[in-house]
Amino acid sequence: DGGITQSPKYLFRKEGQNVTLSCEQNLNHDAMYWYRQDPGQGLRLIYYSQIVNDFQKGDIAEGYSVSREKKESFPLTVTSAQKNPTAFYLCASSMAGQETQYFGPGTRLLVL
Amino acid sequence: SQQGEEDPQALSIQEGENATMNCSYKTSINNLQWYRQNSGRGLVHLILIRSNEREKHSGRLRVTLDTSKKSSSLLITASRAADTASYFCATAYYGNNRLAFGKGNQVVVIP
Repeated sequence: DGGITQSPKYLFRKEGQNVTLSCEQNLNHDAMYWYRQDPGQGLRLIYYSQIVNDFQKGDIAEGYSVSREKKESFPLTVTSAQKNPTAFYLCASSMAGQETQYFGPGTRLLVL
Repeated sequence: SQQGEEDPQALSIQEGENATMNCSYKTSINNLQWYRQNSGRGLVHLILIRSNEREKHSGRLRVTLDTSKKSSSLLITASRAADTASYFCATAYYGNNRLAFGKGNQVVVIP
């Protein structure tokens, strides 16, 4: 069963806490992306990675960090420096040289 | 960064009617894509149109691209209740795989 999985579906963060969102894909895609979606808004790019062990900042990288140690995995850490983390986070992947992106089901992050 | 902008933002139609939504962008693009998002879910790719194409069809979907006006339209014919969703356009630049998403059109199809 191929696809992209994100976990957890809901995540609660306390103030000052770092939390990590998981994104895994078994599509053998080279590129992976993290987006943030706020209510009634489009998607904004946080980070993206085109190959293992390499990643680039997107438009709103401040307060976030990522790693790409394996092709299948691209976890996103929301650090305590991100003062307004409440949002819906979407992970996506694509084949090298292909523009179409495939999305996971999303993680909703809420602040306690 | 460049961003698609859809118009109108919200659309409510009766089942069987056609739904049309538009997207504009600011600079030259490689291609333009449309995605659908059901409430609280991930996005699903619908259709991609390249900068050298003017019209493309996929089932009940028809997409047009006017590069002189930097705009695209998505037409859903004979709408169904299951078409109720948000629809986003996304533009791709030459030379990288990044997409710039618009704010989305919310479409409600009333049975």
